[in-house]
Amino acid sequence: GQQVMQIPQYQHVQEGEDFTTYCNSSTTLSNIQWYKQRPGGHPVFLIQLVKSGEVKKQKRLTFQFGEAKKNSSLHITATQTTDVGTYFCAGPRGAQKLVFGQGTRLTINP
Amino acid sequence: NAGVMQNPRHLVRRRGQEARLRCSPMKGHSHVYWYRQLPEEGLKFMVYLQKENIIDESGMPKERFSAEFPKEGPSILRIQQVVRGDSAAYFCASSPVSSGGTDTQYFGPGTRLTVL
Repeated sequence: GQQVMQIPQYQHVQEGEDFTTYCNSSTTLSNIQWYKQRPGGHPVFLIQLVKSGEVKKQKRLTFQFGEAKKNSSLHITATQTTDVGTYFCAGPRGAQKLVFGQGTRLTINP
Repeated sequence: NAGVMQNPRHLVRRRGQEARLRCSPMKGHSHVYWYRQLPEEGLKFMVYLQKENIIDESGMPKERFSAEFPKEGPSILRIQQVVRGDSAAYFCASSPVSSGGTDTQYFGPGTRLTVL
């Protein structure tokens, strides 16, 4: 079945460094969504990308959707301690169902 | 507008007991999803429901687990005869009625189930 893979599984950075997580799907996606989960918290929706090659920005976060609509990335510029958490990508499978990647857990040294 | 509500937030059960987890979707949302998350792992889809209908239960274990979303009241995830391996965080998410495509899912705070 459809799989959504994320790398890396863990990433530790110094505060102020950049961070990138990558998401790859075994099949073409109609859209991709990104969520953030703080330690001990619940997933919170960040953004949805729909168009091939789409790039969206939210302050220090940049989201990209690949031309083939099979991969995506999230890049954080100049990380802050508030960026700590696990970032998940998710792609649709069937009607209204999402398949989540394993997540990338970001920790930051202040 | 209240978000997705789940209760209890923490639930402790002994092996063999039953666990009942409740989820009230956001106002105006008619789609409910249940996910399980083991420590340090991702979200595993369990079941997708609309009012009075199970749409997709492909992620539900065949035995001991059941889910419902009645016409009135919250969605219930029921685990019978719990075992230690059922210990996990169970998240409920909801989305609005969609005219097409995949809607954003709004997650509740989760129920942390511990089986002793």
